[in-house]
Amino acid sequence: AQSVSQHNHHVILSEAASLELGCNYSYGGTVNLFWYVQYPGQHLQLLLKYFSGDPLVKGIKGFEAEFIKSKFSFNLRKPSVQWSDTAEYFCAVIPGDNDMRFGAGTRLTVKP
Amino acid sequence: NAGVTQTPKFQVLKTGQSMTLQCAQDMNHEYMSWYRQDPGMGLRLIHYSVGAGITDQGEVPNGYNVSRSTTEDFPLRLLSAAPSQTSVYFCASSYMSRHEQYFGPGTRLTVT
Repeated sequence: AQSVSQHNHHVILSEAASLELGCNYSYGGTVNLFWYVQYPGQHLQLLLKYFSGDPLVKGIKGFEAEFIKSKFSFNLRKPSVQWSDTAEYFCAVIPGDNDMRFGAGTRLTVKP
Repeated sequence: NAGVTQTPKFQVLKTGQSMTLQCAQDMNHEYMSWYRQDPGMGLRLIHYSVGAGITDQGEVPNGYNVSRSTTEDFPLRLLSAAPSQTSVYFCASSYMSRHEQYFGPGTRLTVT
């Protein structure tokens, strides 16, 4: 079945460490790509999105993501995490004219 | 703008009861959707609407009903609650399909 895969279920980092969260999808053709963040007890907020153009996209709070078409990947990165980045991160894909499909999420814990 | 609002925030139901989760948006968005969030499964699409009077099923529609009589409102009805419907429900809206979605604060539903 076609899907969105986030391989890391729980990532634990110390403050100032670098972050990379993986996202792979199995849909062919045109895709719109998103990363959302959900802070504890809150709703999902958009971090960044990719529709077309420069495959390196920058989002809010110092996050960025790189679209690698040949690898069907859209990994999220941040050079130096803070305690306030503790949250759950969801990769989402809109394949073609279909609906938004979410990965299972990656829980990030940043230790002060 | 209030964005996307949902009521109630919490609800406990007994098996077999019915209820309606309310969702409203004030951004004049055409596309609205309902998701359920379960641990380790990300968000799964229940139903969606591309405009007033038009609704369609998502990935997990069984046991749920929707209608869209106005652009602003998109209620989700549980016809006969079951314990398997215990979940957090999120409503979302976007300017049109294939664009980023804005999420409401969620409704935490427990069915006993």
